[in-house]
Amino acid sequence: SQTIHQWPATLVQPVGSPLSLECTVEGTSNPNLYWYRQAAGRGLQLLFYSVGIGQISSEVPQNLSASRPQDRQFILSSKKLLLSDSGFYLCACLSGSYGYTFGSGTRLTVV
Amino acid sequence: AQSVTQLGSHVSVSEGALVLLRCNYSSSVPPYLFWYVQYPNQGLQLLLKYTTGATLVKGINGFEAEFKKSETSFHLTKPSAHMSDAAEYFCAVSRYGNNRLAFGKGNQVVVIP
Repeated sequence: SQTIHQWPATLVQPVGSPLSLECTVEGTSNPNLYWYRQAAGRGLQLLFYSVGIGQISSEVPQNLSASRPQDRQFILSSKKLLLSDSGFYLCACLSGSYGYTFGSGTRLTVV
Repeated sequence: AQSVTQLGSHVSVSEGALVLLRCNYSSSVPPYLFWYVQYPNQGLQLLLKYTTGATLVKGINGFEAEFKKSETSFHLTKPSAHMSDAAEYFCAVSRYGNNRLAFGKGNQVVVIP
């Protein structure tokens, strides 16, 4: 089975500061990887997905970017955070039978 | 494109009473359907899924859901609510060959003692 490691669990950052959230996957190779953002009352919004190293698709225009430098590593970044970037960020891996495995998430608060 | 509708962001249920969470979807092709549960500050855990075959699907923690194609629905039920069922529940849809899930906005379930 797949295991996803996400860190940090919580993060408080000032407006204008950079961001780097990391996600690594164990137990599988060549996975599809996803970054979701969850805001209260809005469900889960797909931000980025990747089907392989260096391959990134963006779902919505925003202040964030993603990279996949290794097969089982997915990074979410920003050069300058905005207040609106606050939220709960979840990394996910597509496992067998079209099910997702989710990481435990990062609670980001931009102040 | 797929989409999911979950009505009622907050759902209150008495301990021991029926839990019913409604999910309707739109999909141009036969869907794969999922229910996930999320406890505070945690990731999502798969409760159950429908891909093909039997339309009544049983999941973990006593939950089940029935796929009704004519109603484009996949409602989640549990006969008797337990305090530990307090969490947020998400319905999601994808289709064969599409590697993305579309989620509903979720239902926050509160269990009243």
